[in-house]
Amino acid sequence: QVQLVESGGGIVQPGRSLRLSCAASGFSFRTYGMHWVRQAPGKGLEWVTLIWNDGTNKYYTDSVKGRFTISRDNSKNTLYLQMNSLRVEDTAVYYCARDSFDTWGQGTPVTVSS
Amino acid sequence: DVVMTQSPLYLTVTLGQPASISCGSSESLVFSDGETYLNWFHQRPGQSPRRLIYKVSHRDSGVPDRFSGSGSGTDFTLKISRVEAEDVGVYYCMQHTHWPPGFGPGTKVNIK
Repeated sequence: QVQLVESGGGIVQPGRSLRLSCAASGFSFRTYGMHWVRQAPGKGLEWVTLIWNDGTNKYYTDSVKGRFTISRDNSKNTLYLQMNSLRVEDTAVYYCARDSFDTWGQGTPVTVSS
Repeated sequence: DVVMTQSPLYLTVTLGQPASISCGSSESLVFSDGETYLNWFHQRPGQSPRRLIYKVSHRDSGVPDRFSGSGSGTDFTLKISRVEAEDVGVYYCMQHTHWPPGFGPGTKVNIK
């Protein structure tokens, strides 16, 4: 069945880096754009970034521009989110989702704290 | 950016009774292709969001038919014809007509 599984979350100090992964299965990954969406503790959903199916175009919410980089490896059916210069306000559960938001992973928690 | 609103933000309903959630957008969500990209999601505590409705009124596979979506332009509604215990959680509307995609603040539904 269609499945997305995130990994790579953890506890990190402000200013440090973390790379999240999202492993896709059950569908033709290379034909779908992919998003990252995050949810701060007790808060709502916030769209973070999108990458086209072929990786040629990438879009970011303003608060992460210049710090986060989305990428993908279609040969490995895997989506990535490289997060640099992390801030306390980046603390959230990070979800990957398929382009029309019809499929979501279970999320991976990221805590930025000193 | 398009601003999404929802009302009410909290809703307590009786089992078997209907429920309705409104969603508004600061701009029309009709895209140049004529489609309206307005989704509804349900998130149970501790779980990831699940899409219920896409393009205003299309139910996703496996979604019970007690859920229905309607609306146009800037005003949309999610209705539950008869609330069941499993319907508790937070409901979000979301638009991806305009860039960037945006979510409403969420409506928390509890059972009385």
